[in-house]
Amino acid sequence: SYELTQPPSVSVSPGQTARITCSGDALSKQSAHWYQQKPGQAPVLVIYKDSERPSGIPERFSGSSSGATVTLTISGVQAEDEADYYCQSADSSGSYLVFGGGTKLTVL
Amino acid sequence: EVQLVQSGAEVKKPGESLKISCKGSGYSFTSYWIGWVRQMPGKGLEWMGIIYPGDSDTRYSPSFQGQVTISADKSINTAYLQWSSLKASDTAMYYCARQRDGYNGGFDFWGQGTLVTVSS
Repeated sequence: SYELTQPPSVSVSPGQTARITCSGDALSKQSAHWYQQKPGQAPVLVIYKDSERPSGIPERFSGSSSGATVTLTISGVQAEDEADYYCQSADSSGSYLVFGGGTKLTVL
Repeated sequence: EVQLVQSGAEVKKPGESLKISCKGSGYSFTSYWIGWVRQMPGKGLEWMGIIYPGDSDTRYSPSFQGQVTISADKSINTAYLQWSSLKASDTAMYYCARQRDGYNGGFDFWGQGTLVTVSS
């Protein structure tokens, strides 16, 4: 079955830039999306279609794509950004959706 | 305002059946795919399946095919996730979520989650 691979954890100091990667064979063909989930809350869409930002999401969140890897970048990380982040996309046929394993972002 | 409101927490015994719901409002319910996502305690998000309420087109993750049934009643703007025989391993939080655009446009609105506990 198709898988998306994320690093389990990323740590940054406040004000620095955090980059979270997501790799998968079909990412060059299928759109990827990113979600933020804080403890006890439902996920929130922070980036869709690789690099689009929904209304209400701070400008410090951005996304990019290069081949089989997509990247979520958080510039000027704030304490409130500490959360789990998940990428999501579809397999090469577009039949099945899939989530990455998640990355825990720790703000030191 | 777009909202997805899920049914309340459930406590069940192994072997029992269960149907949980997700009611949409504030948008055209029949025009957007609704997906179901499982989150086991302390674990990540897993896509279970998705339905297009307009014509009931339904797709399942291979991991969940045959284990659950997804349905929708467009007359009352509600999607459902059901089990015929629960197992302890079905204990999890279950979310419904709306695809913003087509089949893989990103889940832009989420329900609050339904906690299902299966224990003897």
